[in-house]
Amino acid sequence: QVQLMQSGAEVKKPGASVKVSCKASGYTFTAYYMNWVRQAPGQGFEWMGIVNPNSGSISYARKFRGRVTMTRDTSTRTVFMELSTLTSEDTAIYYCARSGNPGVGNGPKDYWGQGTLVTVSS
Amino acid sequence: EIVLTQSPGTLSLSPGERATLSCRASQSISSSYLAWYQQKPGQAPRLLIYGASSRATGIPDRFSGSGSGTDFTLTISRLEPEDFAMFYCQYYTGSPLTFGGGTKVEIK
Repeated sequence: QVQLMQSGAEVKKPGASVKVSCKASGYTFTAYYMNWVRQAPGQGFEWMGIVNPNSGSISYARKFRGRVTMTRDTSTRTVFMELSTLTSEDTAIYYCARSGNPGVGNGPKDYWGQGTLVTVSS
Repeated sequence: EIVLTQSPGTLSLSPGERATLSCRASQSISSSYLAWYQQKPGQAPRLLIYGASSRATGIPDRFSGSGSGTDFTLTISRLEPEDFAMFYCQYYTGSPLTFGGGTKVEIK
């Protein structure tokens, strides 16, 4: 069965960086694009960007360009999201979510990781 | 950027009742890329509906989606106890992908 397993919770100081991982299993890793989405406490969702695990190509939401880096490692079936220059406004749960149509990024997000809580506090 | 506005903010209903949730887009969008998700406290979202009206795998047929242009609806025909949760619509093409602000369906 499809599973997306994310790394554990992080506590960071303002100005620091955080790197979250998402390990995929149960399907052909390179066939499905992977998204990163975040949810601030008690708030809605914010899409951050998308990775093509096959080619490695990436598209970032304009809001996060220059501050986010998404990568993938096909040998371990893992995608990574690194966010730098953290502020308290980056405190959120970060999710990876698979685009459900193979080979294209604009599919519904059919599987989600369990989420990684990132807390930014001095 | 497509802005999705969901209403009402909260829906208070009893089990067995019908729930009707609205998602309005800031401009006409393709129904092929409109999805609905359910989220329970402490859990990741769960895909319910994609392409405005297609149920995702394993989703009960009491959930249905409809709409086109700027107005979309998620209907739960008869609420079961496990259906009380937050619901979000999403437009999943373009950049950025956008989500509505959510509707909470709570037990009356």
